[in-house]
Amino acid sequence: EPEVTQTPSHQVTQMGQEVILRCVPISNHLYFYWYRQILGQKVEFLVSFYNNEISEKSEIFDDQFSVERPDGSNFTLKIRSTKLEDSAMYFCASSEGRVNTEAFFGQGTRLTVV
Amino acid sequence: DAKTTQPPSMDCAEGRAANLPCNHSTISGNEYVYWYRQIHSQGPQYIIHGLKNNETNEMASLIITEDRKSSTLILPHATLRDTAVYYCIVRLPKLAAGNKLTFGGGTRVLVKP
Repeated sequence: EPEVTQTPSHQVTQMGQEVILRCVPISNHLYFYWYRQILGQKVEFLVSFYNNEISEKSEIFDDQFSVERPDGSNFTLKIRSTKLEDSAMYFCASSEGRVNTEAFFGQGTRLTVV
Repeated sequence: DAKTTQPPSMDCAEGRAANLPCNHSTISGNEYVYWYRQIHSQGPQYIIHGLKNNETNEMASLIITEDRKSSTLILPHATLRDTAVYYCIVRLPKLAAGNKLTFGGGTRVLVKP
């Protein structure tokens, strides 16, 4: 069964450093998303991406965040200058181009900022 | 998207049916009810969705009341692997580009042997 793949599974970084979280969405999917979940809290939407541009973003997704689809398979989330409060699980998801289609999530990257 | 209310937790016995309620009294006529689950901090997993008719797939059944103000997710024969947080989400049938999911607190289901 096709799946969304995220790397790395765990990333530790120093405060102020840049990190790039990587995702390989399901191959025929057209819509891509990033969510995050701070430990013990709800899963929160960050951004959706379609046709090489952001289609929607939340208040969380400020100027320190960016997304990119550098080639035909990868979808990345960059955090420019990490803060302690960026420590969370980051989930990538993808979906087909149909209305009401479900989203498929990856297993997540645990980001720890120290 | 309409707000949903779910009990924070529930237990069920292995092998028995688990009935998970969700209240969505402000749902509008064209909003769908979706269920996802999250097993121990893994990525959320889609279970089922519906509009007004009852739905069934290999994972679960979804029963939506006639007034659509509440629904029940039924896991017919719960196993230990069904222990997870279950999320009921109501949303409009937008094109996928605008189809973000808004997760609440969900119901933490513990399946006991």
